[in-house]
Amino acid sequence: AQTVTQSQPEMSVQEAETVTLSCTYDTSESNYYLFWYKQPPSRQMILVIRQEAYKQQNATENRFSVNFQKAAKSFSLKISDSQLGDTAMYFCAFMRGYKLSFGAGTTVTVRA
Amino acid sequence: DGGITQSPKYLFRKEGQNVTLSCEQNLNHDAMYWYRQDPGQGLRLIYYSQIVNDFQKGDIAEGYSVSREKKESFPLTVTSAQKNPTAFYLCASSVGTASGNTIYFGEGSWLTVV
Repeated sequence: AQTVTQSQPEMSVQEAETVTLSCTYDTSESNYYLFWYKQPPSRQMILVIRQEAYKQQNATENRFSVNFQKAAKSFSLKISDSQLGDTAMYFCAFMRGYKLSFGAGTTVTVRA
Repeated sequence: DGGITQSPKYLFRKEGQNVTLSCEQNLNHDAMYWYRQDPGQGLRLIYYSQIVNDFQKGDIAEGYSVSREKKESFPLTVTSAQKNPTAFYLCASSVGTASGNTIYFGEGSWLTVV
């Protein structure tokens, strides 16, 4: 079974600054996918970014980027130029086949 | 607009009652899922369906049932056998269940046992 660990329950960042969320996972597989989802106060899960394990290049989506270290089984998310609308819970997720395994989440609060 | 619609948003259930949560998608996705979220935790898979008239148990299927009579619809019934049903329930869908297909979520339903 895959496990996903997010070691930071809460993070706080000043508006316009950068915050990095950590995620580690445990798997014996070589081909898999990793995701970061955002859950704002509305509770809807919104896809932030997606990474394919066989790709060396780190994924980027506008202000969101990842640092994927396959050997270390690490998948951190960097939010640059933080905005008030980024305030949410962020979940790291591992996918192999049909199944998504989620971490416990990190609550990010952006301060004005 | 294409998307996943869950209803009702809020539902209250008396102990011993069965309740059904609705999930409809117009994304033409083959695969649909139900997840449960408890406070301070990530999501856990209850059931999933790869195709009409077929569904499989996830990690926490006990006390739940589903049906998949139409491609667009995947209702979840929370039965009286579910010991601790108060939670937030999320329906999701994807193009298929092959690895790597992004899973998209509905807005969720809150179920509270009173």
